[in-house]
Amino acid sequence: GAVVSQHPSWVICKSGTSVKIECRSLDFQATTMFWYRQFPKQSLMLMATSNEGSKATYEQGVEKDKFLINHASLTLSTLTVTSAHPEDSSFYICSASLIAGGPYEQYFGPGTRLTVT
Amino acid sequence: QQPVQSPQAVILREGEDAVINCSSSKALYSVHWYRQKHGEAPVFLMILLKGGEQKGHEKISASFNEKKQQSSLYLTASQLSYSGTYFCGTRSQAGTALIFGKGTTLSVSS
Repeated sequence: GAVVSQHPSWVICKSGTSVKIECRSLDFQATTMFWYRQFPKQSLMLMATSNEGSKATYEQGVEKDKFLINHASLTLSTLTVTSAHPEDSSFYICSASLIAGGPYEQYFGPGTRLTVT
Repeated sequence: QQPVQSPQAVILREGEDAVINCSSSKALYSVHWYRQKHGEAPVFLMILLKGGEQKGHEKISASFNEKKQQSSLYLTASQLSYSGTYFCGTRSQAGTALIFGKGTTLSVSS
C-alpha cells in the first residue's frame, strides 16, 4: 500500500522560532500533497494544497507568509511554520495523492505534533 | 463546504450496531471514511464514488446516495477496537482535497 511518512513525529520549540515539517511519499509519486491542521477534539482543517513545482494554494484564513510550503519533488513536501507562537501548537498532518488511478485516494502521514512554548 | 456528520457521539456495548451519517449540500464526487484514534493520524476505511455505491469490509459497510448527497457508515456487531472518532471526507471534484466533517466519536465498552 501507499505509505506517507512525516518527520519529525513531534517537536517542541520556543515562541518566535521556525519549524520545518517534512512529508514524504515513500513508495509512490504524488502529484498533489495536502496539509491539514487538527486542534484537540476538532476535525482536520485543510490548510493548503501543493502541486509539485508550483506554488501552494492556501485556504482562506491561512497565512501564506507564516506557513511556507515547498513541494520540491514528487515525493517531498515541506511545511515551515515561521515565527511560531503558542496558538500554532497543533497536530499537523500531510496527505498525498497518487498520480494515476481512478479514485484519487488520499494517503495520510502519521502526523507531527507541534508544541510552541 | 464542510459536510455534516451525525450523530456527534455514540456509546455502544460490544456486539451492538451503529450508523453514522454524512451529508453535503454540494454535489459530491466521492465520500471517504476514516477512523482516528487519539493522538494518531486518520486511518482509511473506504471510499465511495458518485454513481451510488455500497461496499463493505468485514463488519463495516457504507453506502452513498448520490441523489441525496448522503453517505452512511454501518458498523455491525461492534468490537472494542471500533472505538475512535469517525470522519467523513468529501470531494466535489476528482483530485481536490478532502474536506472533513466534524467527526463522530464512537465508544465501545465491554
